[in-house]
Amino acid sequence: NAGVTQTPKFRILKIGQSMTLQCTQDMNHNYMYWYRQDPGMGLKLIYYSVGAGITDKGEVPNGYNVSRSTTEDFPLRLELAAPSQTSVYFCASSPPTDRETQYFGPGTRLLVL
Amino acid sequence: QQPVQSPQAVILREGEDAVINCSSSKALYSVHWYRQKHGEAPVFLMILLKGGEQKGHEKISASFNEKKQQSSLYLTASQLSYSGTYFCGRKGTSGSRLTFGEGTQLTVNP
Repeated sequence: NAGVTQTPKFRILKIGQSMTLQCTQDMNHNYMYWYRQDPGMGLKLIYYSVGAGITDKGEVPNGYNVSRSTTEDFPLRLELAAPSQTSVYFCASSPPTDRETQYFGPGTRLLVL
Repeated sequence: QQPVQSPQAVILREGEDAVINCSSSKALYSVHWYRQKHGEAPVFLMILLKGGEQKGHEKISASFNEKKQQSSLYLTASQLSYSGTYFCGRKGTSGSRLTFGEGTQLTVNP
């Protein structure tokens, strides 16, 4: 198993541009999460999903959108990038048998200029 | 509802012990501990459920005091590989979302 994979690893965006951060897991986990981590700070939950077709907002959802059409994929969409969205984005997943343990992807570093 | 961690940073020599604390202003159902090495993703260490449980992971153990609404992570005889940022996360109920603290940066020097 590859685990949780994220693409791209690093991206520079101009203000107002849009992009999609990809997240895929091959462990058949039903729970998936998107976090952002600002420099020197903890993780803030953006959106999460308990299964295909079901998503819900986390602590900091403004400026982001998600979809979950399959169990494997949970893309995060930024519509109008702002400097405040400069951060490292982590995707994570949990299995149905152990939803308390989250397995994180390697992260996407995003810089908005 | 974000848990508060202390200290913010600690520097140790190899073989020394350290304690990292995690406090919540609201009732705790569970406390989760993760370690993140520089430039890497967080990695799950352990979870503690209410009931004063103490769990261990190699030379790293933790306690959970439900009444005091806090958890402590104990690192014994620290190794260089223990360096990283330790995050605690809290849940108020079994179905609630996990909320992370701001982390404690641990540096272990030779």
